[in-house]
Amino acid sequence: AQSVTQLGSHVSVSEGALVLLRCNYSSSVPPYLFWYVQYPNQGLQLLLKYTTGATLVKGINGFEAEFKKSETSFHLTKPSAHMSDAAEYFCAVSDRGSMNRDDKIIFGKGTRLHILP
Amino acid sequence: EPEVTQTPSHQVTQMGQEVILRCVPISNHLYFYWYRQILGQKVEFLVSFYNNEISEKSEIFDDQFSVERPDGSNFTLKIRSTKLEDSAMYFCASRAPELPLSTDTQYFGPGTRLTVL
Repeated sequence: AQSVTQLGSHVSVSEGALVLLRCNYSSSVPPYLFWYVQYPNQGLQLLLKYTTGATLVKGINGFEAEFKKSETSFHLTKPSAHMSDAAEYFCAVSDRGSMNRDDKIIFGKGTRLHILP
Repeated sequence: EPEVTQTPSHQVTQMGQEVILRCVPISNHLYFYWYRQILGQKVEFLVSFYNNEISEKSEIFDDQFSVERPDGSNFTLKIRSTKLEDSAMYFCASRAPELPLSTDTQYFGPGTRLTVL
């Protein structure tokens, strides 16, 4: 069974500082990995995803994540935090199921990112 | 940019009543999903739907739940007799077919907040 663990339910960083949100996954098959962001009272927006190929994935809003198979990790980073980055971030995993089978997304519990002025 | 839409944005109902949550997926998508997020908890998969039938469902998706694609555009989630614990944000998602629009991304709607009193 697949699972996702996000370390830290709340993370605070100063504006301009490095953002690092940690995610470890468990999957019996090569996974698809995602980061979604949820702004207050809004839906889920895809930040970035890893499916195959280059292990360093660049997403929107300056975020990137690196797939490290040996560490079963997919940490999200951004070099310089902006006030508008304050939101809830969800790491997620999906199976590489054939056709539509087993392609449900399993989400982590989320990390709320606070940006300090 | 095409997006998934959901109506209503907020639904309040009495325990035991039936509710129907509506979703309009992105027009060329063929795979459809419902997820829910109980306040303060992680997003959970409910059901996936393809070719007019359920592909996969979670243990949450019991006999009280049903899904339907009544026409070419809408995708609905029905809860027959709501319980207090059904109060949650319900997200619809859709995904394009693998070929020729190869993509592994599920696009999420803004959600419907269901409150059961």
